[in-house]
Amino acid sequence: SQTIHQWPATLVQPVGSPLSLECTVEGTSNPNLYWYRQAAGRGLQLLFYSVGIGQISSEVPQNLSASRPQDRQFILSSKKLLLSDSGFYLCAWSRVNGQRRGELFFGEGSRLTVL
Amino acid sequence: SQQGEEDPQALSIQEGENATMNCSYKTSINNLQWYRQNSGRGLVHLILIRSNEREKHSGRLRVTLDTSKKSSSLLITASRAADTASYFCAYLGRSSNTGKLIFGQGTTLQVKP
Repeated sequence: SQTIHQWPATLVQPVGSPLSLECTVEGTSNPNLYWYRQAAGRGLQLLFYSVGIGQISSEVPQNLSASRPQDRQFILSSKKLLLSDSGFYLCAWSRVNGQRRGELFFGEGSRLTVL
Repeated sequence: SQQGEEDPQALSIQEGENATMNCSYKTSINNLQWYRQNSGRGLVHLILIRSNEREKHSGRLRVTLDTSKKSSSLLITASRAADTASYFCAYLGRSSNTGKLIFGQGTTLQVKP
């Protein structure tokens, strides 16, 4: 069966510090990978998605970046965090083909507080 | 914006009652999905309905889709306190080749025991 791991679960970072959130998927190959951000009490905002190694598409211009160094690894980074980067970050994967194409499987999320 | 819209934003009911949440979207879709999110957790997929389907059931969940009105509804029957969560609709555009889902803002459901 497929599983998705996301870490760290919680972190508190000072303004201007770097960020690295990591996500790995097991039990499937060549998944589509996604990073979402959810502000408190709000819906999901798609930040980045990837259809393959080294292929990253950005949905929202900001000081965050994403990388996919391996097929099932997706990393969200920042060189210098802003207060507005605080939020709940969710990694997800989906199948590329099949009847359930587009169905997302989410990690448990990473809550980031920037002080 | 392509974002889906959900209503109501918040819903509070008594245990045993039915809960209905609605979702509207703006483009042709491949499928529409409903997700549940417990507070502080990741989203969990509930049900997927394809564009050529009109109704789908899963346990106490019933989803309808009206492509002519570009709308969907999620009905939870005989609600339980454990159903308390946020519920999101999300759709996959017909022309999407990336699997990107467009999410609504969600409905927060509170079921009182």
